[in-house]
Amino acid sequence: GAGVSQSPSNKVTEKGKDVELRCDPISGHTALYWYRQRLGQGLEFLIYFQGNSAPDKSGLPSDRFSAERTGESVSTLTIQRTQQEDSAVYLCASTPGDYLHTDTQYFGPGTRLTVL
Amino acid sequence: GNSVTQMEGPVTLSEEAFLTINCTYTATGYPSLFWYVQYPGEGLQLLLKATKADDKGSNKGFEATYRKETTSFHLEKGSVQVSDSAVYFCALRGGQAGTALIFGKGTTLSVSS
Repeated sequence: GAGVSQSPSNKVTEKGKDVELRCDPISGHTALYWYRQRLGQGLEFLIYFQGNSAPDKSGLPSDRFSAERTGESVSTLTIQRTQQEDSAVYLCASTPGDYLHTDTQYFGPGTRLTVL
Repeated sequence: GNSVTQMEGPVTLSEEAFLTINCTYTATGYPSLFWYVQYPGEGLQLLLKATKADDKGSNKGFEATYRKETTSFHLEKGSVQVSDSAVYFCALRGGQAGTALIFGKGTTLSVSS
């Protein structure tokens, strides 16, 4: 079956512009995570969705970042008024369910965002 | 809070050499531990995992043992290949539903023939 997909694969934008990043999780996966990977760093958690529950936004670095998810399908991460420090690879991951903390997270290929 | 520390790279080895990448963690409760690998140009993939103390995860010749007494999850492989060249991330996930993975900074492994 298809894995997690993300689009676009690369995005170059100018400082101050808004960007939208898309994630399509594996069909049937109820949990979805967004992470950010800055150059030379590990992944930083941004936001988590589980079914129709309120999302865990505790990792969002500022109010310029927001994300939406419709049901158990596509998610969009929006960054408003982009800054150069937002340049990173943004990764999405999904899991079948989250009642077991041992569930493996399946990652998409990421979107490389460059803010000039 | 929870955290993961892994050895900094890059690690450069010759083919068939023995590999160890150290990983230690700080966590409350009983986390699950993971090694993820990122091959050049590809996305993150789970390499192996262990969910409780003394468990050993293994895959593709790699092994790691969950050591609660030393809070470690070191990755080992007896004989590396050129195709093992990649970035390796140690990660943990806390014992509560809905917790995200916490990653180390990654270790780049380069294997030459």
